[in-house]
Amino acid sequence: DVKVTQSSRYLVKRTGEKVFLECVQDMDHENMFWYRQDPGLGLRLIYFSYDVKMKEKGDIPEGYSVSREKKERFSLILESASTNQTSMYLCASSLTPNYGYTFGSGTRLTVV
Amino acid sequence: QKEVEQDPGPLSVPEGAIVSLNCTYSNSAFQYFMWYRQYSRKGPELLMYTYSSGNKEDGRFTAQVDKSSKYISLFIRDSQPSDSATYLCAMRGSGGSNYKLTFGKGTLLTVNP
Repeated sequence: DVKVTQSSRYLVKRTGEKVFLECVQDMDHENMFWYRQDPGLGLRLIYFSYDVKMKEKGDIPEGYSVSREKKERFSLILESASTNQTSMYLCASSLTPNYGYTFGSGTRLTVV
Repeated sequence: QKEVEQDPGPLSVPEGAIVSLNCTYSNSAFQYFMWYRQYSRKGPELLMYTYSSGNKEDGRFTAQVDKSSKYISLFIRDSQPSDSATYLCAMRGSGGSNYKLTFGKGTLLTVNP
């Protein structure tokens, strides 16, 4: 089975800190995604990448950036964390556009 | 009108009941339809995947797509307490760089023993 691993399950960071969320997949998938999930708002796409060093903005990219230097790793960066970025962050990957996504277990980030 | 509408519930049923979960959508370009199950504090996992209209069955789960009505359903037969989770519908179009899934907000299901 494909595994998507997010490095941290829980994180607490201070306002203004630069935060890195790491995601690694082990099955040579082309496409990788970062979502945040909030009660009442559902899953919202932040950024996605369909190839190494390629990235595209999703629906809510403001305050975030991403890095994909290697195929298996897709990092989400909060340049200057703010309290409204407190959320559950989910990474996902897919083999091709016609396949469903495999999600990681999520990182619950709290910004204080 | 939102692209994908899903009743958030919560939905509470007794063990053994038949559960019906539904989504409606507005984008006629959607061709691929999925259902994900998400347990508390976990990431979503793919449960069912269908292309275009029709039915697909997998054990106790049946997914239906009616493109003419822009309506998809997930049926769970003989529901079990272990089915208690949030169920998310998701869909996307085909062709081009249409990589993105559009998700419903999820329906919270509780199956009571």
